[in-house]
Amino acid sequence: NAGVMQNPRHLVRRRGQEARLRCSPMKGHSHVYWYRQLPEEGLKFMVYLQKENIIDESGMPKERFSAEFPKEGPSILRIQQVVRGDSAAYFCASSDLGTGNQPQHFGDGTRLSIL
Amino acid sequence: KNEVEQSPQNLTAQEGEFITINCSYSVGISALHWLQQHPGGGIVSLFMLSSGKKKHGRLIATINIQEKHSSLHITASHPRDSAVYICAVSMDSNYQLIWGAGTKLIIKP
Repeated sequence: NAGVMQNPRHLVRRRGQEARLRCSPMKGHSHVYWYRQLPEEGLKFMVYLQKENIIDESGMPKERFSAEFPKEGPSILRIQQVVRGDSAAYFCASSDLGTGNQPQHFGDGTRLSIL
Repeated sequence: KNEVEQSPQNLTAQEGEFITINCSYSVGISALHWLQQHPGGGIVSLFMLSSGKKKHGRLIATINIQEKHSSLHITASHPRDSAVYICAVSMDSNYQLIWGAGTKLIIKP
């Protein structure tokens, strides 16, 4: 399966712990987008990365959240000192070009639950 | 007012019915996307279109750029079509997608 791979599918953390979400884009894709979906709500853009660069992080909270997309390996969305409000589904998408008229291919998401 | 509006919010129909989901937007776009999200599942891109009409199996998507409106049709609906259908638009060369709130479709057998 050469699609977008996210892991883990489900992640449970206690308040104050760190959460690391991984996303491997489709083969050949160098553009990665992270979205958050709160319960019963639509998707919200968080961050857009190209290899080794953050292009737009305007949708990501300034504190506790960070993202990277290293030269080698998956993109990582990191949430430090998690709180209950971080409970959500986090989706990653990738595309081969960073324009809006290219389809974005989505992973199955990571469901994060904070106890 | 949201830039992307979908209607209806919820739709329940009987198996075999013809389904129409609507999407209106208020911004200039380069493309409109229709996506499908199953309960607890991932998101699948169904169509990306900038003009006219596209068909894939029992799904048909149309767009009217002048009226800033798109429709997603499902012919001979089936319970497995039950999902949330999401409309999203992208503006010019901007990568960001502006998302609709989604339409929750339930097809009863």
